[in-house]
Amino acid sequence: DIQMTQSPSSLSASVGDRVTITCRASQSISNYLNWYQQKPGKAPNLLIYAASSLQSGVPSRFSGGGSGTDFTLTISSLHPEDFATYYCQQSYSIPSITFGQGTRLEIK
Amino acid sequence: EVQVVESGGGLAQPGGSLRLSCAASGFTFSDHNMDWVRQAPGKGLEWVGRTRNKGNSYTTEDAASVKGRFTISRDDSKNSLYLQMNSLKTEDTAVYYCARESKKEYYYGSWSYYYYMDVWGKGTTVTVSS
Repeated sequence: DIQMTQSPSSLSASVGDRVTITCRASQSISNYLNWYQQKPGKAPNLLIYAASSLQSGVPSRFSGGGSGTDFTLTISSLHPEDFATYYCQQSYSIPSITFGQGTRLEIK
Repeated sequence: EVQVVESGGGLAQPGGSLRLSCAASGFTFSDHNMDWVRQAPGKGLEWVGRTRNKGNSYTTEDAASVKGRFTISRDDSKNSLYLQMNSLKTEDTAVYYCARESKKEYYYGSWSYYYYMDVWGKGTTVTVSS
């Protein structure tokens, strides 16, 4: 299976900060990479697919980048509602989908 | 409104069985692959398995951790997805999510297909304990 490793595992930031989360695949996955946001007690919510395509309804302060093995999720200016856990997920090795371990974004 | 709603969770004993259901509405269920994803308490997301749509012959696939114990099925006439869980283990304790899979196609000299889970239910909790 393809392993997905996110860094950092947790991050403290302030409202208005620019934040970048990294996801690394154990082998090249081209741009078959999705990002999800999950708030406590809630289901995950799709933010980005195909590494850089913004899902409909997701604010433009979220952006994704990367290809091959290294990917980023950037929030250009943190809003209070952005404090959550973020997961990357590869869709290259279908059928075996794998998620990163998650990055918890906390208020400083 | 596009939504999926899980049901059937509860308490089961190790070695026991449970059947989860997922009712879909607001979209053409038969067009989509459907997935189960779980999340153990305080842990990350783990893909459990998928049933593909009719166009892909209703093929099912599942994770190594549940292979031979869990069975995924669907009934397009009822817009429903199911997860039959047998030989349950304590490590199967989790919130189980049903998710719709969607696909985007891009042409870069040849067609590339990108799959992602864009509609999720609220989850149903399964606890395996004696």
